[in-house]
Amino acid sequence: AQSVTQLGSHVSVSEGALVLLRCNYSSSVPPYLFWYVQYPNQGLQLLLKYTSAATLVKGINGFEAEFKKSETSFHLTKPSAHMRDAAEYFCAVRIPGGTALIFGKGTTLSVSS
Amino acid sequence: DAGVTQSPTHLIKTRGQQVTLRCSPKSGHDTVSWYQQALGQGPQFIFQYYEEEERQRGNFPDRFSGHQFPNYSSELNVNALLLGDSALYLCASSSATGGGTEAFFGQGTRLTVV
Repeated sequence: AQSVTQLGSHVSVSEGALVLLRCNYSSSVPPYLFWYVQYPNQGLQLLLKYTSAATLVKGINGFEAEFKKSETSFHLTKPSAHMRDAAEYFCAVRIPGGTALIFGKGTTLSVSS
Repeated sequence: DAGVTQSPTHLIKTRGQQVTLRCSPKSGHDTVSWYQQALGQGPQFIFQYYEEEERQRGNFPDRFSGHQFPNYSSELNVNALLLGDSALYLCASSSATGGGTEAFFGQGTRLTVV
């Protein structure tokens, strides 16, 4: 069965600091993994996706994630946080046989000046 | 391209009533999925429609049903509403052809059951 676990429900960083949001997955097949961002009262926007090609995936807004099979991890990073990065971030794994997703519980990122 | 559009954006219903939510997929997409996002939680998969049939279903009771029309738009119906059905309902569309790896989400419908 597919599942994802996001470690840390809330992460706080200073503007300009490194952002690290953690995600571990469980999958019975080679996984397709995604990171989405959600701003208040809005839908989800895709940041990046891993589809079994390069293990280091670059996304929008300067975010990237590295797929590590040995650690069953897909952590999201950004070298330098901006105030506009403050939002809810969700890691997700695709359910085999379609495009439906299983999401983690989310991590709230706060950025202080 | 209008992206994924959902209607209405907000609505309030009384416990026991029925509700219908609507979704128009992104242009070129033929697959629609519905998710329920309770406050402070991640979205939970309800079901997915492709070629007017339910293709996958999550762990939701039969009170939750759906439909897909020939133009690929979709409806989510919830019967006998409970207070616990209050949530943001998200629609996502994707393409079954061309890889179909990415889902695009609408802004959601905020349902409040009182």
